[in-house]
Amino acid sequence: DAGVTQSPTHLIKTRGQHVTLRCSPISGHKSVSWYQQVLGQGPQFIFQYYEKEERGRGNFPDRFSARQFPNYSSELNVNALLLGDSALYLCASSFTSRAQYFGPGTRLTVL
Amino acid sequence: AQKITQTQPGMFVQEKEAVTLDCTYDTSDPSYGLFWYKQPSSGEMIFLIYQGSYDQQNATEGRYSLNFQKARKSANLVISASQLGDSAMYFCAIHQGGSEKLVFGKGTKLTVNP
Repeated sequence: DAGVTQSPTHLIKTRGQHVTLRCSPISGHKSVSWYQQVLGQGPQFIFQYYEKEERGRGNFPDRFSARQFPNYSSELNVNALLLGDSALYLCASSFTSRAQYFGPGTRLTVL
Repeated sequence: AQKITQTQPGMFVQEKEAVTLDCTYDTSDPSYGLFWYKQPSSGEMIFLIYQGSYDQQNATEGRYSLNFQKARKSANLVISASQLGDSAMYFCAIHQGGSEKLVFGKGTKLTVNP
């Protein structure tokens, strides 16, 4: 079975622009979570969606938003990009809370 | 609030030897779960092992085992028979029972020497 997939793998944007990151969960997984990992740190939780409903939100500004589609794929949107938004964005999917499986991530660079 | 502390920024081990990576946690919830992930330089977080707070036995998955000491709030990862491919960052994480939100530590960089 295919694992969690994310697109694009790399992205370069300039300050003030908007970005959309995409995630497809493992088949059968209805929960998708998004994390931001800046260099040298552990991932930080941004959002969790289950059956298209937001189930959790981390301490991130309103510039960050997400949604989940009927096929359980998800998008993370970031508006008005700042230099500090440069990070690895990870998507995770799960069937139960006892295991979350991560995708390869999207490396976002904001210039 | 939940918190994970990993006090070893870097660890070195000889190939074929065992190594223990330390993790302590803080939570006020009686129901929680503890995870270990491996992150190679490619960036992908690879799920290794899970321990629930009510699990009676310490979790094991192949060469990985979790030394869970609930009273001391520690959840150390033991890797037996280290291999060169084990060189990576290792992260400990916790979640509250019923929640998907993971709180990660800062990680430990493991280097396996030939």
